[in-house]
Amino acid sequence: ETGVTQSPTHLIKTRGQQVTLRCSSQSGHNTVSWYQQALGQGPQFIFQYYREEENGRGNFPPRFSGLQFPNYSSELNVNALELDDSALYLCASTSDGSYGYTFGSGTRLTVV
Amino acid sequence: GENVEQHPSTLSVQEGDSAVIKCTYSDSASNYFPWYKQELGKGPQLIIDIRSNVGEKKDQRIAVTLNKTAKHFSLHITETQPEDSAVYFCAASKANQGGKLIFGQGTELSVKP
Repeated sequence: ETGVTQSPTHLIKTRGQQVTLRCSSQSGHNTVSWYQQALGQGPQFIFQYYREEENGRGNFPPRFSGLQFPNYSSELNVNALELDDSALYLCASTSDGSYGYTFGSGTRLTVV
Repeated sequence: GENVEQHPSTLSVQEGDSAVIKCTYSDSASNYFPWYKQELGKGPQLIIDIRSNVGEKKDQRIAVTLNKTAKHFSLHITETQPEDSAVYFCAASKANQGGKLIFGQGTELSVKP
């Protein structure tokens, strides 16, 4: 059984650029959530996808968007990057009827 | 709004001692309370969780207690070992929101040999 895998592990972008982060959910999991973790803080919920539909969103602007594919993998897209977008972006997955989420190791995004 | 407060922010103990981390949540509708351990350069790892219909749960050296009336829950680690050193996060969620986790600010635990 594979866990949650995220790519890339590290990324440096320039302010104003766009970025796409990718996540492969754990085998058998059909729900994917994305979190932003600033340095020294707890993760903050961005949004969640269930069977390719967004079914929950946190307090993040529309320039944060996502997709979930038929194989339940997911993408997080961020447009018009700002310096404050620098953070660790975490993907987590779970399955129907389960409460526990499995997290990936994250993508460290630095905006300069 | 929904909020989870976690204390202390740092905790240093001697190997073999116990460690306790406490959290308070604001939304009385929360019904699921996981604890995560995050090591440097890694994502959070679920170590134990509790649902609102249970007051206490134990797994070897780790236990969690929940007081729904006071909206408090705590993590207890006994016989601490240096490999327990990490950042620990509590979280709360409502099952009907399908898993949106509200995290505390984290506790950096240091276990000195």
